[in-house]
Parts: sequence; C-alpha cells; structure tokens
Amino acid sequence: AQKITQTQPGMFVQEKEAVTLDCTYDTSDPSYGLFWYKQPSSGEMIFLIYQGSYDQQNATEGRYSLNFQKARKSANLVISASQLGDSAMYFCAMREIVRAGANSKLTFGKGITLSVRP
Amino acid sequence: GAGVSQSPSNKVTEKGKDVELRCDPISGHTALYWYRQSLGQGLEFLIYFQGNSAPDKSGLPSDRFSAERTGGSVSTLTIQRTQQEDSAVYLCASSVGTSGNEQFFGPGTRLTVL
Repeated sequence: AQKITQTQPGMFVQEKEAVTLDCTYDTSDPSYGLFWYKQPSSGEMIFLIYQGSYDQQNATEGRYSLNFQKARKSANLVISASQLGDSAMYFCAMREIVRAGANSKLTFGKGITLSVRP
Repeated sequence: GAGVSQSPSNKVTEKGKDVELRCDPISGHTALYWYRQSLGQGLEFLIYFQGNSAPDKSGLPSDRFSAERTGGSVSTLTIQRTQQEDSAVYLCASSVGTSGNEQFFGPGTRLTVL
C-alpha cells in the first residue's frame, strides 16, 4: 500500500524568501512517481512538479524544485523567492509507475497550507 | 485547447435524492479519474477509466456510487440516495494515458447534501 505523509501545520514565509514543504512517503513498489500540486482558494488543482523514482537528478521547474532523498523516502518541495500568489494548499502525491494494465491513480497527502507574508 | 470541464459547479440536494456529476476530459486523453475532497482534506481516489479496459472501482466508498464513461470520453458519476457525509468536492482528472505523468484536473463539483 502507498502512503503519503505531510505533517507540517500551516507554514508562513516572508515574501521573496525560500520555503521547504515536507513530504515523506511509503511504498513497496520499486518504481513510482512523486508529484506536487498547488490548490489555491479557488479550488483548482495545479500541477507543479514531478519526480520519477529512477530519475538521477532532482526535478526543477522555475522557482520550484524537489529535494528527492530516496533512501529517506522524502520528496520535499522547495519554493524559492516566494510570491504572494504562492499562498495556497500544497499537496504531495504518489503513483506507481504504470505497468501494462495497472492503475495509475494518485495517492495524496493531507496537504500543507502556505501563507506568504508581504 | 479546453481543459477538463465539470458540471454542475455547485449542487445542493436533499438527503436521499440521487445526483449526477459530469466530467468532460481533455480531448484525446484516454485516462479519466474521479477523486473526492472533503473539507480540509486531501484527495481520495474513487474510480479510474483507461481506454476500453474495465474501470478500477476500488475507491468507491459504497454501492450507492457508480460511474460510467461513454464513448471513451464524457464520464458521469452517480450517487444514489445521497447522505450528508457525501458532501464534498468531486474532482475529475484526465491524462494522456497510463504513461502520462501529469493528471489535469477539472474545477470540481461542490456537492452539498442537506
């Protein structure tokens, strides 16, 4: 079974500073993918970044980077130069890498609320 | 190109009534997923369709929930005899296929059962 853990309470960061949102996972699958989604107050789920379990490099997408530590089973999201628009809920999610006929549903953590202060 | 669309955006119903929620995936996406998000919680997987394969219904919470996907495109999630605990946001997502990394989410349907 897969499990995603996000235990941080609400996070606060000063505008223009960096912030790390924690995510740990548990799986017995050798192949899996890790995702971060942003959900602003409007409710839509916005894909931010993806990391495959066999990727050699940590994923980066603009101001987002994923600090992937496979041995520790952690996939923390780092947001650099925070902006006011970054205030939202952030969800970590995982899916097994699909084999023929296998389900590729996402398993989500409970999310972390990030508030960016001006 | 249009994204995933869902209708209605909001639905208020009385306990015991049936409701139907609709999802239009992105054109060409063969995989379609339904999730449920209760207030302040993460997303809970409900059901998954991939092409012509039998759907994975393992996340449906009870037999009051069912879903179908017609013609490999539009999907309808039906909740029969709604209960107050069914109140949640129901999110639909689609992806290019099982090998697609990203699932694109619709705006959701907020269901309130009185």
